[in-house]
Amino acid sequence: DQQVKQNSPSLSVQEGRISILNCDYTNSMFDYFLWYKKYPAEGPTFLISISSIKDKNEDGRFTVFLNKSAKHLSLHIVPSQPGDSAVYFCAARPGTASKLTFGTGTRLQVTL
Amino acid sequence: GAGVSQSPSNKVTEKGKDVELRCDPISGHTALYWYRQSLGQGLEFLIYFQGNSAPDKSGLPSDRFSAERTGGSVSTLTIQRTQQEDSAVYLCASRPGGTSSYEQYFGPGTRLTVT
Repeated sequence: DQQVKQNSPSLSVQEGRISILNCDYTNSMFDYFLWYKKYPAEGPTFLISISSIKDKNEDGRFTVFLNKSAKHLSLHIVPSQPGDSAVYFCAARPGTASKLTFGTGTRLQVTL
Repeated sequence: GAGVSQSPSNKVTEKGKDVELRCDPISGHTALYWYRQSLGQGLEFLIYFQGNSAPDKSGLPSDRFSAERTGGSVSTLTIQRTQQEDSAVYLCASRPGGTSSYEQYFGPGTRLTVT
């Protein structure tokens, strides 16, 4: 039972354009969401997070939007840069546990 | 400062052998997690240690898997009688305790291949 879903395994975007990565979840107990970026042969690195009491969080080029009623969140990267090419994982945490539930990841390719 | 380190970075073992994977968390981090990522899959939670509390072992896939954390620091994940389906990247993460932040800091992983 995949509680966190990233339905797009890959995405290709031109440099300078907006990248939008999507994530859906099924567990209404999730109250905190995180995005991680992963380069090959490295561990995931934290990118940005959002609490369920908010609907938007922005950090530089990265913005995460949360739609609780739709159980959907998205990561926007503007403008996209070649160095953003990586696998992006969405993760969620239920209020009563410390472990994270991860999606399967979306591979972003930013082309010149 | 130093990040989370894991060793070995790669491990190839024969089916049926035991393996030990090591994780050195960030100094002072009281929470430690093990995950694994199989080919084409997301990160799958295995086990979680928090201070001196009993570990959350709810993600361990079978009794062939065990983990310990000595002295509240280094952790070892042991897989006994390895099977081919155990082939994956095993990731360790740590997090400061007593914080409202849920960010976990990951090591580079150990790629385990069972032949």
